[in-house]
Amino acid sequence: DQQVKQNSPSLSVQEGRISILNCDYTNSMFDYFLWYKKYPAEGPTFLISISSIKDKNEDGRFTVFLNKSAKHLSLHIVPSQPGDSAVYFCAASYKWFGNTPLVFGKGTRLSVIA
Amino acid sequence: DAGVIQSPRHEVTEMGQEVTLRCKPISGHDYLFWYRQTMMRGLELLIYFNNNVPIDDSGMPEDRFSAKMPNASFSTLKIQPSEPRDSAVYFCASSSRGLAGVADTQYFGPGTRLTVL
Repeated sequence: DQQVKQNSPSLSVQEGRISILNCDYTNSMFDYFLWYKKYPAEGPTFLISISSIKDKNEDGRFTVFLNKSAKHLSLHIVPSQPGDSAVYFCAASYKWFGNTPLVFGKGTRLSVIA
Repeated sequence: DAGVIQSPRHEVTEMGQEVTLRCKPISGHDYLFWYRQTMMRGLELLIYFNNNVPIDDSGMPEDRFSAKMPNASFSTLKIQPSEPRDSAVYFCASSSRGLAGVADTQYFGPGTRLTVL
């Protein structure tokens, strides 16, 4: 039973356009969400996060939106650059003694075409 | 800071052999996580430690898998005997305890690509 779902295994976007990666979750106890980026032969690296008390968080070209009622979050990358080509993982956790394991989606492979 | 260090980066072994994967977390981090990545199941948590104590090992697939953390700077994941279906990339991650009620970011190592023939 997948608690965090990324239904699009891949996405292609032209350089300079917006990339939108989507993520759905089923566990209503999740209250902290993260996006990780992974290049081949490297470990995932943290990109951006959002707490459930917010509905938007921005960091430069990256913005994460959270819709709690729909149990949906999305990552927007504007403008997309070739260096953004990677696999993006959505992850979620919930409060428990200050730290809990992350539950990951299966990832979406983003290809930014020059 | 060197980040999370994992060794070996690649391991090829034959079915039935013992495999030991190693991890050095970031200094000062008191949580350590072992994940496995496969095409079918994505990134799945195997086990995690807090202050060197295993907290949740419910993700460990079978008794063939074991993990230890003898001190704050070293952890091992052992598979004995290994099987072809254990072929995957194994990641170690570490994090510090966040502020009350906030999960801190996990930092991942580069992974160990295991191939069992």
